[in-house]
Amino acid sequence: QVQLQESGPGLVKPSQTLSLTCTVSGGSISSGGYYWIWIRQHPGKGLEWIGYIYYSGSTYYNPSLKSRVTLSVDTSKSQFSLNLTSVTAADTAVYYCARASVGAAPDYWGQGTLVTVSS
Amino acid sequence: QSVLTQPPSVSAAPGQKVTISCSGSSSNIGNNYVSWYQQLPGTAPKLLIYDNNKRPSGIPDRFSGSKSGTSATLGITGLQTGDEADYHCGTWDSSLSAWVFGGGTKLTVL
Repeated sequence: QVQLQESGPGLVKPSQTLSLTCTVSGGSISSGGYYWIWIRQHPGKGLEWIGYIYYSGSTYYNPSLKSRVTLSVDTSKSQFSLNLTSVTAADTAVYYCARASVGAAPDYWGQGTLVTVSS
Repeated sequence: QSVLTQPPSVSAAPGQKVTISCSGSSSNIGNNYVSWYQQLPGTAPKLLIYDNNKRPSGIPDRFSGSKSGTSATLGITGLQTGDEADYHCGTWDSSLSAWVFGGGTKLTVL
């Protein structure tokens, strides 16, 4: 069974870059056929899709965040990563990594990690 | 403000049936598959329904999904206290070129 685990700092200062990594186990990130996704959830709010990356490195970002987001993948480590620049308090959220078959809904999710933006 | 509209909360008694609505537009629900997620307190969302009405392996048939036009509905029968959770709908939005979600509905089993 595929498992995903987020890791990274839980506290980021305003204007800095939020960096998170998702480690995938129980399945190959480079097997193809899947998008590797980042989604966030502001406290007490709904879900917001950030973007996805394919094992080849192809990316697609939410237009509302596109100017600040970069996704990358390291197939040798079975990891993919999120960089979000110029963060503000509005970026405080639980960040989830997830997997979706191409053209389908996200099915496997990580447990999520809370990132707080504060000085 | 979420692209998809869900009621903030619903409630029903154990053993009863409840439905949760998800309203969108032709650019999202109207022309794309809808999925539903269950989020128990303090946990990650779990896929309940995909492609409007399909259940992943292990999801009991007490959970069902349907779609009509630009709206979708999640139904839960035989309510249990363990069903108390937030439920989210989601789909692709062709105009926004992004996956979109509803604001979530909190289910209380009285």
